[in-house]
Amino acid sequence: DTAVSQTPKYLVTQMGNDKSIKCEQNLGHDTMYWYKQDSKKFLKIMFSYNNKELIINETVPNRFSPKSPDKAHLNLHINSLELGDSAVYFCASSLEGGNYGYTFGSGTRLTVV
Amino acid sequence: GNSVTQMEGPVTLSEEAFLTINCTYTATGYPSLFWYVQYPGEGLQLLLKATKADDKGSNKGFEATYRKETTSFHLEKGSVQVSDSAVYFCALYGGGATNKLIFGTGTLLAVQP
Repeated sequence: DTAVSQTPKYLVTQMGNDKSIKCEQNLGHDTMYWYKQDSKKFLKIMFSYNNKELIINETVPNRFSPKSPDKAHLNLHINSLELGDSAVYFCASSLEGGNYGYTFGSGTRLTVV
Repeated sequence: GNSVTQMEGPVTLSEEAFLTINCTYTATGYPSLFWYVQYPGEGLQLLLKATKADDKGSNKGFEATYRKETTSFHLEKGSVQVSDSAVYFCALYGGGATNKLIFGTGTLLAVQP
């Protein structure tokens, strides 16, 4: 009965590869997000979708492409992975834009070697 | 734009000591304010929130009061435990066009027995 689930939890891959991270929420929320946490624990929003529509797209390389097949799922595809992409990626969801807070997944630790 | 500033860590305390982690914000309008906690190797959990001025959020012995006059939302706990060791994030949701949760840089708390 996990609220926001991400897979995989760990991902180790070589430079230049393409990988995807999947996220699903069963809370009935209408908005989903991807955040990146760097090695200093700093959290920065990357994307936000509301009912499958992209509403936030921060300054992120276009190698990163989110996809939302329905409002319960938001996947992140990354092309041509670089060493600097190594980080923990968190998916989150919220109701009504976030005034009551976001619910976060447990994160995906991506290591590019 | 909106921003959150919180005290740098690490904060190292002995068990049963009093905890304060300072957080101040800059925002237009009337944001909602949050504290999130991240235990080692885990995702972010909502600890407490306040949605309007003078509201006090509380949970698990932690408290924070939304002070509009000082634009602050300091986190306090009267007696910390070893199990409180984690990274604490102050966050702001401004709503409207901003429509995203903005985090402070996080404060690592280490409680020693």
